[in-house]
Amino acid sequence: AQSVTQLGSHVSVSEGALVLLRCNYSSSVPPYLFWYVQYPNQGLQLLLKYTTGATLVKGINGFEAEFKKSETSFHLTKPSAHMSDAAEYFCAVTESNFGNEKLTFGTGTRLTIIP
Amino acid sequence: DGGITQSPKYLFRKEGQNVTLSCEQNLNHDAMYWYRQDPGQGLRLIYYSQIVNDFQKGDIAEGYSVSREKKESFPLTVTSAQKNPTAFYLCASSTITGYNEQFFGPGTRLTVL
Repeated sequence: AQSVTQLGSHVSVSEGALVLLRCNYSSSVPPYLFWYVQYPNQGLQLLLKYTTGATLVKGINGFEAEFKKSETSFHLTKPSAHMSDAAEYFCAVTESNFGNEKLTFGTGTRLTIIP
Repeated sequence: DGGITQSPKYLFRKEGQNVTLSCEQNLNHDAMYWYRQDPGQGLRLIYYSQIVNDFQKGDIAEGYSVSREKKESFPLTVTSAQKNPTAFYLCASSTITGYNEQFFGPGTRLTVL
């Protein structure tokens, strides 16, 4: 069975500082991995995804994530935090490239940006 | 513009009443999903459907029901059997090939008084 662990339910960083949100996964087969962002009282928006190929994935708003198979990790980073990055972030995994396999989400990390 | 619409944004109901949440998509996606979101628990899958007139239970289906009579629509009914229905409900859709990237609607916040 697949699972996702997000370390740190709340993360605070200063504006301009590095953002690092951690995600570890468990999967019996090669995974497909996703990061979503959610602003208050809104739906989820896809930030980036890893399927196959290059392990460093670039997404929207300057975010990127690196798939590390040996560490079963898919941490999200951004070199310089902006106030608009304040939101909740979800890591998700699926074990199949077919729509009949569901996404499994982590419990989320709320990111606060300190002015 | 293609996307997913959910209505209403906010919904209030008295305890013991059934309530139906609407979800419509014009992305021509075959698969649709309903999630429940509670603080600190992430998203939990209620039901999903890959094709019209067929759907499967997710992890927390008890107290909920769905229908899929049209490809574009996947309404969720929260029944009086759901013991704690107050939550934020999210609908999503995806293709059934590719990488299962799911597109989400804006959500409906249900409060049962």
